[in-house]
Amino acid sequence: ETVVTQSPATLSVSPGERATLSCRASQSISRNLAWYQQKPGQAPRLLIYDASTRVTDIPARFSGSGSGTEFTLTISSLQSEDFAVYYCQHYNKWSPGFGQGTKVEIK
Amino acid sequence: EVQLVESGGGLVPPGGSLRLSCAASGFTFRSFWMSWVRQAPGKGLEWVANIIADGSEKYYVDSVKGRFTISRDNAKNSLYLEMNSLRPEDTAVYYCARQLYSSGLFPPGYWGQGILVTVSS
Repeated sequence: ETVVTQSPATLSVSPGERATLSCRASQSISRNLAWYQQKPGQAPRLLIYDASTRVTDIPARFSGSGSGTEFTLTISSLQSEDFAVYYCQHYNKWSPGFGQGTKVEIK
Repeated sequence: EVQLVESGGGLVPPGGSLRLSCAASGFTFRSFWMSWVRQAPGKGLEWVANIIADGSEKYYVDSVKGRFTISRDNAKNSLYLEMNSLRPEDTAVYYCARQLYSSGLFPPGYWGQGILVTVSS
């Protein structure tokens, strides 16, 4: 079973600054990694899949990179609406798994 | 517009059973594999089960194997989760989710609003 671990647990960032979130897999998952954003009381929203492909209508300030076991989500210039919890997920049919989440909060 | 609407949640005592439903619309349901994902209060996301498009393959997280059953009725555009022998640790919001695209390997890209299941005496 592949475990994905996110860091840090909480990231304090000022509006307009850059945020860098990390996700590490316990074994190689190629590029089968997704990033989600979740706000309180809402369902998760898919931002990135295949490690670096943005979903339609997701702003270009969100970018993903990595392959194998190390992945990064970068938010280039944080907007007020970006403060939320972000989850990475490795996906397959038989045993997908989520990281524990990174909360991006206002500094 | 893709819509996923869960129903069937509520309060159930430990050891009890519940059946969740997810009504799908706005897409060709029989072409997509579907998932249930849950989130305990104040906690992170946990994948629960997957079912492929024709229903012939089903996969579960270890903690629900033997207790939960995922199924689908492609004629009714509906996904189900039968939950038996419920435990307090099954308390969560349960989300129905659809694979992003129908062909190939993709993560869940569309989610329902979620339904709360509370297991308590």
